[in-house]
Amino acid sequence: RKEVEQDPGPFNVPEGATVAFNCTYSNSASQSFFWYRQDCRKEPKLLMSVYSSGNEDGRFTAQLNRASQYISLLIRDSKLSDSATYLCVVIMNTGNQFYFGTGTSLTVIP
Amino acid sequence: NAGVTQTPKFRVLKTGQSMTLLCAQDMNHEYMYWYRQDPGMGLRLIHYSVGEGTTAKGEVPDGYNVSRLKKQNFLLGLESAAPSQTSVYFCASSYGLAGAENIQYFGAGTRLSVL
Repeated sequence: RKEVEQDPGPFNVPEGATVAFNCTYSNSASQSFFWYRQDCRKEPKLLMSVYSSGNEDGRFTAQLNRASQYISLLIRDSKLSDSATYLCVVIMNTGNQFYFGTGTSLTVIP
Repeated sequence: NAGVTQTPKFRVLKTGQSMTLLCAQDMNHEYMYWYRQDPGMGLRLIHYSVGEGTTAKGEVPDGYNVSRLKKQNFLLGLESAAPSQTSVYFCASSYGLAGAENIQYFGAGTRLSVL
């Protein structure tokens, strides 16, 4: 079983739609979680950290569900510029074990 | 404002040739990483370093060697390239390993083709 699993998509949504991605992790010792964004043929860049209480940054909301071992990313009022691949990252308590998901592809359609 | 810089950006090798990928960071980060990214596989860690003079194996280290002689540089070597090493290689660095310290900053990538 993979340490981190994401639905690869693709998710094709119209502008203005709300879309949510989940990322499940297998190790309950996981302590830190992040969402990265990767544009086509570019490097991954940090989108946001995921805090236990959930956190919001503009149109983006990240949540953690420890009981079910998943993190989620919600994008409201989707823009064309949101089209990208979204990667989740899970870091174990030891710090020297961290895992990237394979990414979820989002295309926002005019 | 350079961040993490990788050279070269593109390279084509013949099977059996060797090459070195250079990663340089100007953020005074202790930790540096080399990943490869293949379609459907996501980012896979090749080797990483927790400080100058140290290296450690990641998930897919075979066929690669690394060196961290200076804090700001992390080199990835392919001694005898194979077609299976055709991939996009990313270097990254972070302040630390645990929690928010492990926010990683990536270079722009090196696209390598081995014929």
